[in-house]
Amino acid sequence: DTGVSQNPRHKITKRGQNVTFRCDPISEHNRLYWYRQTLGQGPEFLTYFQNEAQLEKSRLLSDRFSAERPKGSFSTLEIQRTEQGDSAMYLCASQLNSGGDTQYFGPGTRLTVL
Amino acid sequence: AQSVTQLDSQVPVFEEAPVELRCNYSSSVSVYLFWYVQYPNQGLQLLLKYLSGSTLVKGINGFEAEFNKSQTSFHLRKPSVHISDTAEYFCAVSTTFGNEKLTFGTGTRLTIIP
Repeated sequence: DTGVSQNPRHKITKRGQNVTFRCDPISEHNRLYWYRQTLGQGPEFLTYFQNEAQLEKSRLLSDRFSAERPKGSFSTLEIQRTEQGDSAMYLCASQLNSGGDTQYFGPGTRLTVL
Repeated sequence: AQSVTQLDSQVPVFEEAPVELRCNYSSSVSVYLFWYVQYPNQGLQLLLKYLSGSTLVKGINGFEAEFNKSQTSFHLRKPSVHISDTAEYFCAVSTTFGNEKLTFGTGTRLTIIP
């Protein structure tokens, strides 16, 4: 296993611009999660995919956020019209199956909105 | 909904001394319990988890935790810490059904004093 990878690792953008992040989960992991972590806080759940189906979205995920997982492989998280409050670390995790299987986290994408 | 409380935001400990990091949770349904560690500039890594069975769980790097259902606690312990244990530690819970999204505490920063 090469682990969960995320790109880019860092993104600096101006307010109002659109950004897209990519997550490549561990091969054959059916379940994929996105979390957001701000300074001094624990990660907060954003959304969950089982294969290609997006099964839950947090109320934290405003209409400016959209996530996809085409073909049940990699996933993308897009933020439109970024705001300064979107500045955070965006984490992706993958899990093989349910039943308490470990969620493996990627290194994260740090977004800074100027 | 679930919630996690980590009362200690920072814990300084002398090298080779024992340490306990406290975690309490709240949930109306059965949960799985986790401890993750985040080393500086690295992603989250699972230390240990409780799914069922024995309430004493052993993890990596000499850590262990005890699940106490009556006190709704899952405290993390290590009998003798090392400089390399300096990191942020997060307690998390998930439901035992559905999407198993993780709900994290705010974290405890463990600082080892030489």
